[in-house]
Amino acid sequence: SQQGEEDPQALSIQEGENATMNCSYKTSINNLQWYRQNSGRGLVHLILIRSNEREKHSGRLRVTLDTSKKSSSLLITASRAADTASYFCATDANRNSGYALNFGKGTSLLVTP
Amino acid sequence: DAMVIQNPRYQVTQFGKPVTLSCSQTLNHNVMYWYQQKSSQAPKLLFHYYDKDFNNEADTPDNFQSRRPNTSFCFLDIRSPGLGDAAMYLCATSRELVYEQYFGPGTRLTVT
Repeated sequence: SQQGEEDPQALSIQEGENATMNCSYKTSINNLQWYRQNSGRGLVHLILIRSNEREKHSGRLRVTLDTSKKSSSLLITASRAADTASYFCATDANRNSGYALNFGKGTSLLVTP
Repeated sequence: DAMVIQNPRYQVTQFGKPVTLSCSQTLNHNVMYWYQQKSSQAPKLLFHYYDKDFNNEADTPDNFQSRRPNTSFCFLDIRSPGLGDAAMYLCATSRELVYEQYFGPGTRLTVT
């Protein structure tokens, strides 16, 4: 079952601009993670933010978490063409098989030179 | 340097012909996962192993099986591939459940 939903589905910006992607989820979480996927490749972990954290930074990435609104955002500052990829949020969920990650459908980001 | 390795990167099989995809890891992680990802969709968890304990997702078809003979290796067996099984299959590992996951490059499966 899918819990995270990213918004927008697709985003096109120019190099140097900032890109913001949002993720909404439905039930309580322990943590929320963001992943990047380049076309036809595996996913790469970007940031994990715990439910008691509100903001986290990693290089040009900034993630916020609002548990009251059940939402998170990923900000990429000063974007580069190499940032072109799909970005997924993932939330932990207790399922019949135990805790696992639910991935959203992703935001497809295109950064043009 | 590669931490999660998947072989082959591309696999073509015929309708109904069994196929096995392989994954190996050098991270010594407890958990190994198999995901199916179709074009422009989210990765869908098929099953995972926590050490030797196998955990199947409720909606994973019986056609999909998995083996983990040791910590480093995990296999995905598709007993009778259908056209709808054509997808990217991603293997991932994590030290513990819901920790960050490390993904392999994926195996692109084509069913003819």
